[in-house]
Amino acid sequence: AQSVTQLDSQVPVFEEAPVELRCNYSSSVSVYLFWYVQYPNQGLQLLLKYLSGSTLVKSINGFEAEFNKSQTSFHLRKPSVHISDTAEYFCAVSAATDSWGKLQFGAGTQVVVTP
Amino acid sequence: DAGVTQSPTHLIKTRGQQVTLRCSPKSGHDTVSWYQQALGQGPQFIFQYYEEEERQRGNFPDRFSGHQFPNYSSELNVNALLLGDSALYLCASSLSWRGGYNEQFFGPGTRLTVL
Repeated sequence: AQSVTQLDSQVPVFEEAPVELRCNYSSSVSVYLFWYVQYPNQGLQLLLKYLSGSTLVKSINGFEAEFNKSQTSFHLRKPSVHISDTAEYFCAVSAATDSWGKLQFGAGTQVVVTP
Repeated sequence: DAGVTQSPTHLIKTRGQQVTLRCSPKSGHDTVSWYQQALGQGPQFIFQYYEEEERQRGNFPDRFSGHQFPNYSSELNVNALLLGDSALYLCASSLSWRGGYNEQFFGPGTRLTVL
């Protein structure tokens, strides 16, 4: 079984400042890793994913995450946030052995960007 | 191309009642998963359907049941509703295939309130 820990429940940040959201996972098998974003009253949108290959993955809107196997982490970063980045962010894992792609989510990190 | 759709958007029920939620998968997808997201928590996997059969199930009681139709759409049924069943119910669809990663696409969710 897999588990995901998001270390911060809420992260306040000023506009144009950097932000880092921490995610650690536990698994006895290889995993795929994901970050999802949820805007108020909406469903989940995939932000970025790590399947294999380069450990640094990037999204089209400036977010990046780095897979660190030794520390079992997949932290999300953005060098300069916008007001529109205010949302809840979920880290999730899927066992690479599970062809059905069942996701195990963390509890989420609420990012609040203020001017 | 329509994404994942869910109905209804919101629903209010009283304890002991039964509820049915509906989901239409993204065009071309044949696998449907259901997740429960309680307030302030990450989504929790309920179950997954493929070829009209339940393929995987999370840690939810038998009061939670589902169905998949030949057109791949799905229903989630919850009997004997409890106050604790109040949550956002998310449907996700994916395309089944073996030996790799199946990206799940999420719908906007159905907000269930049990009074």
